[in-house]
Amino acid sequence: SQQGEEDPQALSIQEGENATMNCSYKTSINNLQWYRQNSGRGLVHLILIRSNEREKHSGRLRVTLDTSKKSSSLLITASRAADTASYFCATVFSGGYNKLIFGAGTRLAVHP
Amino acid sequence: GAVVSQHPSRVICKSGTSVKIECRSLDFQATTMFWYRQFPKKSLMLMATSNEGSKATYEQGVEKDKFLINHASLTLSTLTVTSAHPEDSSFYICSAQGGTEAFFGQGTRLTVV
Repeated sequence: SQQGEEDPQALSIQEGENATMNCSYKTSINNLQWYRQNSGRGLVHLILIRSNEREKHSGRLRVTLDTSKKSSSLLITASRAADTASYFCATVFSGGYNKLIFGAGTRLAVHP
Repeated sequence: GAVVSQHPSRVICKSGTSVKIECRSLDFQATTMFWYRQFPKKSLMLMATSNEGSKATYEQGVEKDKFLINHASLTLSTLTVTSAHPEDSSFYICSAQGGTEAFFGQGTRLTVV
């Protein structure tokens, strides 16, 4: 399977704290993307980091990519209750139809 | 961002019947769309890649005759779950490729009774 692993599987924090989620993958990639999914809903694209980038920021989000370790991390700073959702990394592999392969996901719960 | 409309959002059907799910890109053309399946509290599993004007490419282990995909135009792909059984109950999500970014429909929750 091309699907990567994410850890932790579940994360519970208090508002204001930072949340860090990690993702590992198995093969060479073109880019890696992070998505958010509220319960039973579609996915929202958060951020894309290309294989030649090491770090990217978007608002309270910070993503790192280490291609030598085939891993990425998503940091959400100053979390809010509204950040409660599942977060998935997805990789686009070199070649093919640019299909996205999703990691297992992290369920984040932010408590007020 | 671009909008992908998926319909219906929920459907309940009887065992043995077929259900069609539509995925439309509303403001862009998508030569490629993807269909995913998601079990509760699990990740998205890619089922197939839908290509406009040609046959879909199915992932290993996905039954082609069970999950019929048609990509009749640059803005519409359909997934038909044929002779549905309770084990087909799941959340199905489509996505359409727009440039480097994929845009997702809101998903369809299928319940087979």
